[in-house]
Amino acid sequence: EAEVAQSPRYKITEKSQAVAFWCDPISGHATLYWYRQILGQGPELLVQFQDESVVDDSQLPKDRFSAERLKGVDSTLKIQPAELGDSAMYLCASINKPGDTLEKLFFGSGTQLSVL
Amino acid sequence: SQKIEQNSEALNIQEGKTATLTCNYTNYSPAYLQWYRQDPGRGPVFLLLIRENEKEKRKERLKVTFDTTLKQSLFHITASQPADSATYLCALQAGGFKTIFGAGTRLFVKA
Repeated sequence: EAEVAQSPRYKITEKSQAVAFWCDPISGHATLYWYRQILGQGPELLVQFQDESVVDDSQLPKDRFSAERLKGVDSTLKIQPAELGDSAMYLCASINKPGDTLEKLFFGSGTQLSVL
Repeated sequence: SQKIEQNSEALNIQEGKTATLTCNYTNYSPAYLQWYRQDPGRGPVFLLLIRENEKEKRKERLKVTFDTTLKQSLFHITASQPADSATYLCALQAGGFKTIFGAGTRLFVKA
């Protein structure tokens, strides 16, 4: 079965440094999500793309986080500068299209970020 | 405020027993509700979806119920196995094709 690809799998950085995460959704999936999951909590939506357009970034801390999906395929999430509280799992997910009869999300394995 | 609540304490059960996990929500009227399984260090994996006009949905040893009056979903695993040990996440559609998640319940099945 096709998978959502994410890299890197793990990232350790020092605070104030810049970090970037990459996601390649399942081929043909128009909708892409970035979630952040702090240990012991559920995934929290950061940003939602429909093709190359941002649909919802209301929970994205825009002073330090940015996300893009320039060609409507793969996506990059960036944090600059990283803070200690950013340590979390960053998950990418995709669905075929909004309103799909089976709106299950396909998740990648995530990037585990540790900020020291 | 809008909330999704799941049992915060871990659930420990004996192999062969039925595990029942609860998901309660407030201030939403979701068209459907989903359950996902998450293993440590991995992304969630979809298990079941139940729509607002469905009372119950089954898949192999899994059963989900959805009570829109109580604003509650119950997730059952029958004949549980140690391999079922994981965190189970409840999720619902919050409008605008946005899926939001509860904090999850950790299940431990002892052999």
